[in-house]
Amino acid sequence: GAGVSQSPRYKVAKRGQDVALRCDPISGHVSLFWYQQALGQGPEFLTYFQNEAQLDKSGLPSDRFFAERPEGSVSTLKIQRTQQEDSAVYLCASSFVGLVNNEQFFGPGTRLTVL
Amino acid sequence: SQQGEEDPQALSIQEGENATMNCSYKTSINNLQWYRQNSGRGLVHLILIRSNEREKHSGRLRVTLDTSKKSSSLLITASRAADTASYFCATDASSGNTPLVFGKGTRLSVIA
Repeated sequence: GAGVSQSPRYKVAKRGQDVALRCDPISGHVSLFWYQQALGQGPEFLTYFQNEAQLDKSGLPSDRFFAERPEGSVSTLKIQRTQQEDSAVYLCASSFVGLVNNEQFFGPGTRLTVL
Repeated sequence: SQQGEEDPQALSIQEGENATMNCSYKTSINNLQWYRQNSGRGLVHLILIRSNEREKHSGRLRVTLDTSKKSSSLLITASRAADTASYFCATDASSGNTPLVFGKGTRLSVIA
C-alpha cells in the first residue's frame, strides 16, 4: 500500500516568505507527527496530532510555526516569515494508535532552503 | 533537545565485516528503536526493543539494551554496500503513540 507522502519534496523560499508543507499519512493511521531534521543531526520533534486534535506542540520553535490537521487525515505545517535558521528537512510520520510498540512510518521529507 | 548520542559518529568498513553502533540516552524509556536513513530519504524502522528486553534479533541485525547503563547497541553482521546509510536510535518515555526522541546518528559506509 501507499506509504506516507509529503509535498513538495524541495522548497526554496526567500527570507520572509510564508511556506506550507503537506503530509499525507497512511490511510487509517490516527497519529501524525512532524519532525525537523537539521543537516547532520537526528530528527527533532515539532508537534503531534491524534485525529484532528493537536495533542502536543511543545517542539514548535516559535509562533511562526503552525500545524493543522482539520479532518484528521492530511496535515499542513506552515511557517510564516521564514528565516535562514528554518532551513532543514521536515519529516512527517504516522502511526496506528493502539500499537504498543509505537512504530512510526516516515515520509521522504520536505527539504526547505531559506535564502 | 536530543535524547542521546550515537557513537561512533561515522564508521567505514569493508563489505562482509560486522558493524557495531552504540547509543546512549538520558532518561527512563519505554521502548528503544533503531531507524535507518538513506541519503535524502525518510527514516525506515529497523527494530524495536522493549525496556524489559535485553537482546533482540532480526535477520542480520542484533540489538542489545542495558537499561542500567542507559545504552543500546546495534550490530549489523556480514555488511553489504546497501547497508550504507545513517542509523539512529530513538526512544519514547511512555507507551502508546508518543513522540520519539532521536540521537544524532551514526553514518555507516560499507565499501565494496
